[in-house]
Amino acid sequence: AQRVTQPEKLLSVFKGAPVELKCNYSYSGSPELFWYVQYSRQRLQLLLRHISRESIKGFTADLNKGETSFHLKKPFAQEEDSAMYYCALGQGGSEKLVFGKGTKLTVNP
Amino acid sequence: EPEVTQTPSHQVTQMGQEVILRCVPISNHLYFYWYRQILGQKVEFLVSFYNNEISEKSEIFDDQFSVERPDGSNFTLKIRSTKLEDSAMYFCASSANGGRETQYFGPGTRLLVL
Repeated sequence: AQRVTQPEKLLSVFKGAPVELKCNYSYSGSPELFWYVQYSRQRLQLLLRHISRESIKGFTADLNKGETSFHLKKPFAQEEDSAMYYCALGQGGSEKLVFGKGTKLTVNP
Repeated sequence: EPEVTQTPSHQVTQMGQEVILRCVPISNHLYFYWYRQILGQKVEFLVSFYNNEISEKSEIFDDQFSVERPDGSNFTLKIRSTKLEDSAMYFCASSANGGRETQYFGPGTRLLVL
């Protein structure tokens, strides 16, 4: 079955420190991976998707098919990055996104 | 920038009552979705809707649930006879072209069944 695992429920770093939010997936086909972010009391919004290979707000994520991972990274965390981050998997032939449980990132001053 | 909207933001209902959750997708989008998130758990897919019919549904989406696009703008989720375990945040989403295209989410409706 398709599955997305985000092993860290909570992650706390200091401002300016590097941050990495882990995401592993289980899917036998060719995946489409997304990172969604939810700031306090706001909606889920797309942060980035692997196919676009963009850097948004300083965040990047690389799809590693060998390790079935799509970790989200930022070299220098900012306080405004504090939010809930969800990794999601899209699959061929299906409309649904499969979400991980999310990681709550707190960036301390 | 256009956004998905949802009403109401909060709904409290008694067990066994019917509820209708409303969504207005982004206007030129063709694919619509409902997800739910029980407190402390994952966001789970319920159903997708395209061309006025359900294109995919999860095992959660049983006969108690139905979706409808009653006019050109609204997209609704009806729960016929609510149960305590239906208490959750319900998210509507829409996408321009479906498949692996980005899904844009609404702010959610928090449903509490007493």
